[in-house]
Amino acid sequence: QSALTQPASVSGSPGQSSTISCTGTSSDVGAYKLVSWYRHHPGEAPTVILYEVDKRPSGVSSRFSGSKSDNTASLSISGLRADDEAHYYCSSYAGSDTVIFGGGTKLTVL
Amino acid sequence: EVQLVESGGHLVQPGGSLRLSCAASGFTFASYWMSWVRQTPEMGLEWVASVKHDGTEKYYVDFVKGRFTLSRDNANNSVYLQMNRLRAEDTAVYYCVRDRRFLETLPDYFDFWGQGTLVTVSS
Repeated sequence: QSALTQPASVSGSPGQSSTISCTGTSSDVGAYKLVSWYRHHPGEAPTVILYEVDKRPSGVSSRFSGSKSDNTASLSISGLRADDEAHYYCSSYAGSDTVIFGGGTKLTVL
Repeated sequence: EVQLVESGGHLVQPGGSLRLSCAASGFTFASYWMSWVRQTPEMGLEWVASVKHDGTEKYYVDFVKGRFTLSRDNANNSVYLQMNRLRAEDTAVYYCVRDRRFLETLPDYFDFWGQGTLVTVSS
């Protein structure tokens, strides 16, 4: 299984929006609505920000939203803030009780 | 408050063995699947293995099958990862995570993560 494909980096200015894509195949992202997104600040534990494509866990800001079309899922962050600067990872169920992650995207808030 | 505390990571030679432990608290441990996820600079996050809440089902990523063994002790709220025949490419920070399931079966997401423990495989 290859990792899901994410851009290595994206950037945006404070207050703007940014979108991160996550491309898989018809066997993982395209097959299930079981895509999740994680935010990772260096030195801290990763935290889940979206699950089942577009659901937000309790306490996660509505600035984070998700969508999926065919084999590509997307994470959108509106109203960018300095503390949104982090690495973001997507993940998907890949069948046969396995999970696959994306390679990660570094979001820089300019 | 949910807490997951990993231990056991350190420097080991290629071909060696290591046992990682994860102590859980703040939730009904015996009701949840648990997993290990690792992070490397090259690959980012990688799912490693998962164990059902009662220990009756275990699943592994292909590249650790036959080398790593996942177990849990619900009486002591702990999960363990026995790693044998370690390779340089197993060098990573290993996270213990609580595993949420869709319809109690399919992997859905990881809702709590420990701080991680560093495993370095080098001669």
